[in-house]
Amino acid sequence: NAGVTQTPKFQVLKTGQSMTLQCAQDMNHEYMSWYRQDPGMGLRLIHYSVGAGITDQGEVPNGYNVSRSTTEDFPLRLLSAAPSQTSVYFCASSYLQGARTEAFFGQGTRLTVV
Amino acid sequence: AQSVTQLGSHVSVSEGALVLLRCNYSSSVPPYLFWYVQYPNQGLQLLLKYTTGATLVKGINGFEAEFKKSETSFHLTKPSAHMSDAAEYFCAVIEDSSYKLIFGSGTRLLVRP
Repeated sequence: NAGVTQTPKFQVLKTGQSMTLQCAQDMNHEYMSWYRQDPGMGLRLIHYSVGAGITDQGEVPNGYNVSRSTTEDFPLRLLSAAPSQTSVYFCASSYLQGARTEAFFGQGTRLTVV
Repeated sequence: AQSVTQLGSHVSVSEGALVLLRCNYSSSVPPYLFWYVQYPNQGLQLLLKYTTGATLVKGINGFEAEFKKSETSFHLTKPSAHMSDAAEYFCAVIEDSSYKLIFGSGTRLLVRP
């Protein structure tokens, strides 16, 4: 019963490097999303997806790309890392079904850009 | 557009005292509302949620929250604080129309012995 799996848990990048944060869910949820968490700012939505092949921007999308080729996977790509992208990243998988509506989160990826 | 406001970035209470963490939301349609707790260096844990039905919702660890549509509020309470309640608490909202889960900026709860 894996739920939402994020990898890696920790990552250090140099400015300008690229990388992909992986997110996978095994609950067959249509909705997935990526957040970044910074002190005093809560969790801010980066990108989200309402199904395979459909993605949209959240509050802070600049510098990040996403794709959703399958229901299970929703990777987040940093094309050219910047120190301002140092943060903790969370992936979420959710379903909207009346009283059963809920969101599930991965354990997070702590990213440092130097 | 939906939004969430949490009043007070830090709340400090004595052990055994009432805990009250405030959350107000803005939504054009009836929302789904959530409270999450985050302990240091950990992920998010669901405390409780309001989706439909009874407006007073009970969650884990003795917490409860009441959905008040007229006040657009979903405040979190606990009658008696415990040292283990020290953590950061996040209020969040989903709208059916957008499917986006939007968070407040969080409230850090400090519990004094």
